[in-house]
Amino acid sequence: SQQGEEDPQALSIQEGENATMNCSYKTSINNLQWYRQNSGRGLVHLILIRSNEREKHSGRLRVTLDTSKKSSSLLITASRAADTASYFCATDLDSNYQLIWGAGTKLIIKP
Amino acid sequence: NAGVTQTPKFQVLKTGQSMTLQCAQDMNHNSMYWYRQDPGMGLRLIYYSASEGTTDKGEVPNGYNVSRLNKREFSLRLESAAPSQTSVYFCASTPIRGEKLFFGSGTQLSVL
Repeated sequence: SQQGEEDPQALSIQEGENATMNCSYKTSINNLQWYRQNSGRGLVHLILIRSNEREKHSGRLRVTLDTSKKSSSLLITASRAADTASYFCATDLDSNYQLIWGAGTKLIIKP
Repeated sequence: NAGVTQTPKFQVLKTGQSMTLQCAQDMNHNSMYWYRQDPGMGLRLIYYSASEGTTDKGEVPNGYNVSRLNKREFSLRLESAAPSQTSVYFCASTPIRGEKLFFGSGTQLSVL
C-alpha cells in the first residue's frame, strides 16, 4: 500500500521557471523525505523535514509540511536542465521500520 | 568513498532459475533494505535488516529470502525466479532507522 501520493504525476516546464510538486499522506508521521531519481539511477536524498517543522530550505529547494492537511510540497526554484528527474516523497511512520513511498512526479525541464 | 555497492547491474534469468543479488555498504550503517521498483510505482520494501543479525519482511517478501551476512553485507536471493519478479532492485542503508537512506545504483532483473 502506498501512503504518499505525489501530484502531479508529470510536470514539464521551461528552464528558469519554478517547479512545485506535492505529496499527500494518510497517517501520522515522524518525518517526510524527498528523493530524486535520474533515469535509470539510484535515488538521492534531497531533504528530510520532521513532523514539528513547517519549512526547510536547501539551496534552490524549499520543502513545506502541513501536518493538519497531511501534505508536503517541494519547490525547485530557477529550474535547470539537470533538474530533469523523478521526485519521490517518502514518509517515516512511528509504527515500523518502513519508509512508505509515493509513485513519484516526473519533472522535465525544457531548454 | 564507495557508499552502497550492488552487484550485478543487469541480469537475465529464465523462469525457475535462482540467483543472489549482493549489496555492501562501507558507511558502518546499522539498517539495510531491499526494495523493488516497477514502472509507474514507488519503491516497495521486500525485506529489511534493522541491525546486524536481524531481518524482517517488508511489504512484498514472497519469493525472496535475505541474509545479513555481517554489518556490511545484505544479500537478496530469488530461489525460483518468476516473470512477476522482473523489476529494478535497489539496496539502501541508513545509520539510524527513519533517517535518510543511501541507495545503491540498482540491479535491472529480467525473468523470461
